[in-house]
Parts: sequence; structure tokens; C-alpha cells
Amino acid sequence: RKEVEQDPGPFNVPEGATVAFNCTYSNSASQSFFWYRQDCRKEPKLLMSVYSSGNEDGRFTAQLNRASQYISLLIRDSKLSDSATYLCVVNILNKFYFGSGTKLNVKP
Amino acid sequence: GAVVSQHPSWVICKSGTSVKIECRSLDFQATTMFWYRQFPKQSLMLMATSNEGSKATYEQGVEKDKFLINHASLTLSTLTVTSAHPEDSSFYICSVKTGTSGTSYNEQFFGPGTRLTVL
Repeated sequence: RKEVEQDPGPFNVPEGATVAFNCTYSNSASQSFFWYRQDCRKEPKLLMSVYSSGNEDGRFTAQLNRASQYISLLIRDSKLSDSATYLCVVNILNKFYFGSGTKLNVKP
Repeated sequence: GAVVSQHPSWVICKSGTSVKIECRSLDFQATTMFWYRQFPKQSLMLMATSNEGSKATYEQGVEKDKFLINHASLTLSTLTVTSAHPEDSSFYICSVKTGTSGTSYNEQFFGPGTRLTVL
């Protein structure tokens, strides 16, 4: 069983739409959680860390549910530049495990 | 966050040769660096954890004699792919872990990656 599971998508949405990505993790010892963004043929870039209380950064909101072992990312008012693959990452005992990524295509 | 560079950014080599990839942490003294491999349309797979001044820790299924890792200083880790074969062609990415060991708050920052093609 994979440590981190994501819906691969792709999610095709129009500009301005709100889109939500989900991620589940299997290890209850997971310590910290992140969303990364990866553009085609580039390295992943940290989008945001995910805190137990939930956190927001502009149009992006991340939520963590430890009881259900579930992480989410909400993107409001999608921009064309949001098109990318979004990676859910979990830190377990100082190792980072990646989901397979969810591809987002924002169309005009 | 930490700024990480990798060199070379891409390399093409003949089967059987060895290739060295450098990962540098430009503004952070990194006790720990990670090496990942990413095949097309797949996610990153952790290959090994590089520890400054000690031996690297390899993930299951990764041959330590084939993928030699040296972390001689707090700013440099190298990955050498020995006797490369076409199936080793991949995108190799290193990362630096920031944060304090023993705490739950750790982030990692990635180098730009090295695209290896073995003919």
C-alpha cells in the first residue's frame, strides 16, 4: 500500500473556478504535511505546509484531518498559471513521501 | 527557503560510463540532503538520504554500489551513477531539509534536477 494516495486527475477547469484536491496517507505516525507544485520537467516547489488548524495563503487553503488521515488543498479563482501537477507530501520520521500528483489544467 | 543548485542540468552519456551529479546548498548548511529519481509521468521516489560526514542511507531496492553518494561538506552532496544503462535514464533531483532534527516542522527545498539520458 502506498504511503500517500492522490487522485491523478487531470482536473480540467475554467479560469475563475474553485477546485479541490484530496490526499490520504496511511501511516498514523506521519508528522508533517505539505503541498508542492511541479511544473512540467521542473523540480517541485513548496506551495504550502499544512497545519492541524488549517491554513490559508491567498487563494490557497489547506486542511488536515488527522483522524481520517486526509489532507486537502482548495484553490479559489483559478488562474491559467495554476496549471501544474500538485503533489501531496508527508514527512514520516524525517523522510518525505510523495503522492503521485494531481494534474490541474486551467483553461481560458 | 533554502536555495539549491544542481550540476549538470542535463547529461547524455554512453552505456557503461559513470556520471557524477552535484547538489549544492547555496545558503543553508545542510546536514541532510535527499536524492530522488523521477521517471516520466511518475512521482518522485526517494533513493537515499545523504548525511554529512557519514554513509548515506539507501531505500529498499536502490543499489548502493551503483548509486554512490558522497556528502563531504555541509553544502555539497554528490551522486555518481556508475556503469549507467539506458534504464537509469531519469530525472534526478536532490533536496535539502531545513528544520531541526527531532522536531516535526521540516520543509525541503529542491534543486532544479538533472536529466540523465543513457544511450
